[in-house]
Amino acid sequence: ILNVEQSPQSLHVQEGDSTNFTCSFPSSNFYALHWYRWETAKSPEALFVMTLNGDEKKKGRISATLNTKEGYSYLYIKGSQPEDSATYLCAFGTGFQKLVFGTGTRLLVSP
Amino acid sequence: EAGVAQSPRYKIIEKRQSVAFWCNPISGHATLYWYQQILGQGPKLLIQFQNNGVVDDSQLPKDRFSAERLKGVDSTLKIQPAKLEDSAVYLCASSSLWVDSPLHFGNGTRLTVT
Repeated sequence: ILNVEQSPQSLHVQEGDSTNFTCSFPSSNFYALHWYRWETAKSPEALFVMTLNGDEKKKGRISATLNTKEGYSYLYIKGSQPEDSATYLCAFGTGFQKLVFGTGTRLLVSP
Repeated sequence: EAGVAQSPRYKIIEKRQSVAFWCNPISGHATLYWYQQILGQGPKLLIQFQNNGVVDDSQLPKDRFSAERLKGVDSTLKIQPAKLEDSAVYLCASSSLWVDSPLHFGNGTRLTVT
């Protein structure tokens, strides 16, 4: 059974804090790594899709890095805001359109 | 572009009853997915269609779950009969056939089986 682990499970930070999460996945048979943000009562929204070792992607205050050789990806949020409160999911791609999701990191940002 | 449409948003049924969920993907998206997300777990793929053909249904409990995608567009997922452990959020997603295409999700259906 393929294991995709995310840490921490949950995180509570103050507005303005910077934070980061980890997604760990098998270092073999890598195809792609996806990050999604899932706000309560909304649909999961794609943040990044990364396919190359060393990839770094950025979207506003959120960025992600990828290390396929050691099997991890980091998601960074700079200067967290209350609207960043959500569950952040990573998904490991083992082949074309074959994704296995992690259990997510639940982020709460207090004003 | 219009997003992925799902209905209903919520459903409460008793065990052994049946239930059906509907999904309309983004126009032009060839691939459609149904995921089950149980509280505290990550989304688990139930079935994946490419156009109207099944690509992967290895984790679909076929004794009680069924799904179809007629004409390669809309899809329905049915549970009959439901069990308590089927309580979950059922997410529909679609994607194009580009290599780095992300999944586009609907709002999901929260199912409670009592």
